[in-house]
Amino acid sequence: AQKVTQAQTEISVVEKEDVTLDCVYETRDTTYYLFWYKQPPSGELVFLIRRNSFDEQNEISGRYSWNFQKSTSSFNFTITASQVVDSAVYFCALTDGSSNTGKLIFGQGTTLQVKP
Amino acid sequence: DVKVTQSSRYLVKRTGEKVFLECVQDMDHENMFWYRQDPGLGLRLIYFSYDVKMKEKGDIPEGYSVSREKKERFSLILESASTNQTSMYLCASSDWGTENTEAFFGQGTRLTVV
Repeated sequence: AQKVTQAQTEISVVEKEDVTLDCVYETRDTTYYLFWYKQPPSGELVFLIRRNSFDEQNEISGRYSWNFQKSTSSFNFTITASQVVDSAVYFCALTDGSSNTGKLIFGQGTTLQVKP
Repeated sequence: DVKVTQSSRYLVKRTGEKVFLECVQDMDHENMFWYRQDPGLGLRLIYFSYDVKMKEKGDIPEGYSVSREKKERFSLILESASTNQTSMYLCASSDWGTENTEAFFGQGTRLTVV
């Protein structure tokens, strides 16, 4: 069965610190997709990144970077020089490979608090 | 600007009431989903629909039903609300048959059952 684990429930940092959010997944599918979503206090989940199982290249987008390692089944997310606006709940998610419906399996979420 | 709109941000209902949560998307997506979000549990799938009048149970369908009469609208129904259904409910939509397309989410409905 598929599973996503975000072991860090809450993280608190001071502005400008770097922070890494961990995500470990389990799946028997050979083709799958991993996602990160951000949920600010407003409640709406905002898509950040999608990565497919055949592409292990790391990605950088501004202050955000993602490290995908199939060998350890991890898809970690790093925020460099964190800002107060980064405060949110972050979810890692995995597609259910048993169908083409796009069902997502979510981790428990990590609440990030960035203090000024 | 693509949108998934949920009819209410906050709802308070009494135990035993029939509750309707409405969701509308304007992206012509085939797939629509209802998730429930609880602290420490992440988002859990209640039901999803891959076409009009088509639906499948998710991981926690007990106590819920859904309706999809039109492509753009997906309703979640609590037949007889109970206090353990107090939660945040999130609707989402995505393209059919494309696993690599992200889901778009509504702003959520925080339901309190008293």
